[in-house]
Amino acid sequence: NAGVTQTPKFRILKIGQSMTLQCTQDMNHNYMYWYRQDPGMGLKLIYYSVGAGITDKGEVPNGYNVSRSTTEDFPLRLELAAPSQTSVYFCASSSSGTGGSGNTIYFGEGSWLTVV
Amino acid sequence: GNSVTQMEGPVTLSEEAFLTINCTYTATGYPSLFWYVQYPGEGLQLLLKATKADDKGSNKGFEATYRKETTSFHLEKGSVQVSDSAVYFCALITNTGFQKLVFGTGTRLLVSP
Repeated sequence: NAGVTQTPKFRILKIGQSMTLQCTQDMNHNYMYWYRQDPGMGLKLIYYSVGAGITDKGEVPNGYNVSRSTTEDFPLRLELAAPSQTSVYFCASSSSGTGGSGNTIYFGEGSWLTVV
Repeated sequence: GNSVTQMEGPVTLSEEAFLTINCTYTATGYPSLFWYVQYPGEGLQLLLKATKADDKGSNKGFEATYRKETTSFHLEKGSVQVSDSAVYFCALITNTGFQKLVFGTGTRLLVSP
């Protein structure tokens, strides 16, 4: 019953450091997403992927990179961490891109990242 | 563009009170509508959804009806519990093009005993 699994759950980074947030899903979903949630705000889409080998930018991609070498995994890389990247990060997945069918997007439990 | 507007919080209620959290949306076409809940220190969980006009989503005593004429999807519960304290997000997905969730800013609910 794993669903979407993210690691690490908490991390403190120093300015200028790099790190990778890991995300894996076991539902054979084609679509995967990375969101960030800032205090008192809704979620903003960073990057998404519609299948292995295909990624695209969301609303707030600057300072991040992604890759999708397998269906299961969708890591998010932060290069040269900045305080503005302090946030909660959520990975998510869904079976298809057709919203009209009401397909559900499933979220991981979140990764709390602080850049100091 | 597509957007979701939620009432600002926090909403503070006593246990067993009636809850309404307002949500209205702007979208092209006919979106699917969702309520997600985020308990303290946890990720988002799908609470309920509705995929077409007049559909009612329900779960754990919560309900929301998809009202196309008023472009609304208000969340209601007849009798809240302390354990319902959380942040509630209204969201939509349009049925044209890529499936991207558009979230409201969230409404924090605080229920006191």
